This record gives sequence, structure tokens and C-alpha cells, in this order.
Amino acid sequence: SQQGEEDPQALSIQEGENATMNCSYKTSINNLQWYRQNSGRGLVHLILIRSNEREKHSGRLRVTLDTSKKSSSLLITASRAADTASYFCATANQGGSEKLVFGKGMKLTVNP
Amino acid sequence: NAGVTQTPKFQVLKTGQSMTLQCAQDMNHEYMSWYRQDPGMGLRLIHYSVGAGITDQGEVPNGYNVSRSTTEDFPLRLLSAAPSQTSVYFCASRRRTGSGNTIYFGEGSWLTVV
Repeated sequence: SQQGEEDPQALSIQEGENATMNCSYKTSINNLQWYRQNSGRGLVHLILIRSNEREKHSGRLRVTLDTSKKSSSLLITASRAADTASYFCATANQGGSEKLVFGKGMKLTVNP
Repeated sequence: NAGVTQTPKFQVLKTGQSMTLQCAQDMNHEYMSWYRQDPGMGLRLIHYSVGAGITDQGEVPNGYNVSRSTTEDFPLRLLSAAPSQTSVYFCASRRRTGSGNTIYFGEGSWLTVV
């Protein structure tokens, strides 16, 4: 069953603009992770935020986590054409589960 | 390090045939897993392993078999291929020192069952 659900499912912006993607989940989590997938390639880990963290930064990426609302957002600032990809959130549940549950993904297109 | 290597990249099977998707990692990761990715479905976990000799089922295990005889290798076997198994398959691995460690994915194997 899907845990994370990304929103919107597709987003098209101009280079230089910011892109915000949201993820909602259903059960208590240990951490939430964001991945990027370029067309025809495997997934690449972007950033992880733990359940006791509220915000995390990595370069042009900013992730927030609101456990009371069971939601997370990924902000990409000053987007580039190379950011064009699908983005997935994935959750690791509490209890030390070895499994990550992925959302269906969101397609970001950055137009030059 | 080569990371996670999957073979073959592309494969066409006839219904009822069997085959094995190979996965190897050279990072000495304890945890390995197989996912399938279908349009609009995200990634779904098929089987996973937390170490050599230990495997467990994921969300969609039916029709697939795995074994983990070494730390490096985690092959996925399709026992009798069906058109519903047409998908892109990803192998992944990570260290098992904590539930949050980064997962490394292979480049995928595109499988078509006709």
C-alpha cells in the first residue's frame, strides 16, 4: 500500500523559479526521505529528515516535516533545467522497519 | 566502487518462461531489496534481505523468488512470467546500521512479458 502521496502530481515552472512539492503520509514514521529519478534511470537519494526534526537544508533543497499533519514539503530554490525529473517521498515507519514505502511520485519540468 | 549493478538492462520474455534478474553491490551493504515500478504506481517492494541467508517478503511478492547466499548478490527469479509482470525492476542496497541510511539504487531492468 502507498504511504506517501506527492502533490501536485506534475509541476511545470521556468528556470530560476522555486518548486514546492508536498508529501502526505498516513502512519507514524521514523523518518521521511526524498528521492529524484531522471527519466530512464534509478532513484537518487536527496535528503532525509527524521521525525524529531522540523526542517533541513541541503544546497538548494529545503525539506520541512510536520508530524502533526503527517506531511512534508520539498522546496527546490532557483530551479535549473537539470532539476527536471520525477521526485518521490518515502517513509520509514516507527518500530525500526527495514522497509521504505514510496509515494507515486511527482513530475517536475523546469523550462529553460 | 561500481555501486549497485543490475543485469540485464532490457529483457523480453514469453508468458510462462522463467528468468533471473541479477543484482550485485560492492559496498558491503547488509540490506538489499527489489522494487518494481509501474506507471502511476510508484515503487512497490517485492522482496528484501537484511543479510546473507535472510530474506523476507515485501508488498508484492507473488510470482517472484529470491535468495541471498552472499552479501554481494541478491538475484530475483521470475518463476513463470506473466504479462502482469511487465515492469521496470530496481534493486537497492544500504547499510543496516540504522533505519534511515541512504538507499542506493541500480539503474533498473526493463522487463516485457508477451
